[in-house]
Amino acid sequence: DGGITQSPKYLFRKEGQNVTLSCEQNLNHDAMYWYRQDPGQGLRLIYYSQIVNDFQKGDIAEGYSVSREKKESFPLTVTSAQKNPTAFYLCASSKRQAWENTEAFFGQGTRLTVV
Amino acid sequence: GNSVTQMEGPVTLSEEAFLTINCTYTATGYPSLFWYVQYPGEGLQLLLKATKADDKGSNKGFEATYRKETTSFHLEKGSVQVSDSAVYFCALDSSYKLIFGSGTRLLVRP
Repeated sequence: DGGITQSPKYLFRKEGQNVTLSCEQNLNHDAMYWYRQDPGQGLRLIYYSQIVNDFQKGDIAEGYSVSREKKESFPLTVTSAQKNPTAFYLCASSKRQAWENTEAFFGQGTRLTVV
Repeated sequence: GNSVTQMEGPVTLSEEAFLTINCTYTATGYPSLFWYVQYPGEGLQLLLKATKADDKGSNKGFEATYRKETTSFHLEKGSVQVSDSAVYFCALDSSYKLIFGSGTRLLVRP
């Protein structure tokens, strides 16, 4: 079955360490996105990529980095520079750049806790 | 900039009650509008969408109408079930990315 897979589901990190969250899709989608979700808040966009080897900063990119070397994969690295990294991270993909006639598919999310 | 405002939750209803979750937006142009649902511990799923003014999106008994004159996209359901308990997000597309509201938690009691 086609879908978007995030791993791991739960992740614990010590302060000062970098950690990478995985996101893979087999939907042949061009665009991929990373969102952060905090309790009581909506989703905030971290980074997005509309095509392989290209990505743009979202609203809260500081302390994060991404790569898009393959169409299927869009890993997110949470660096030690991110001051408050504990959150629920959601990856999404869509078929093409325009949202009008397509939908975004979301992964199950990764809950990151800094200990 | 573009934004979405949702009513604060939680919204608590008894089974078979009528549901309305308010959503208003600020945007330039004519964005597409969406409702997503998130069940506990999961990602988001598209519930319905509307791409132009006066369009009505519908799915699983839920409906929302794109109202350009009031810049609104309120979610409604005539008779909620316990299984509808979830967080509902209103969203609009803006320059090839989605902007989400803060979400509204719905609790349906038997």
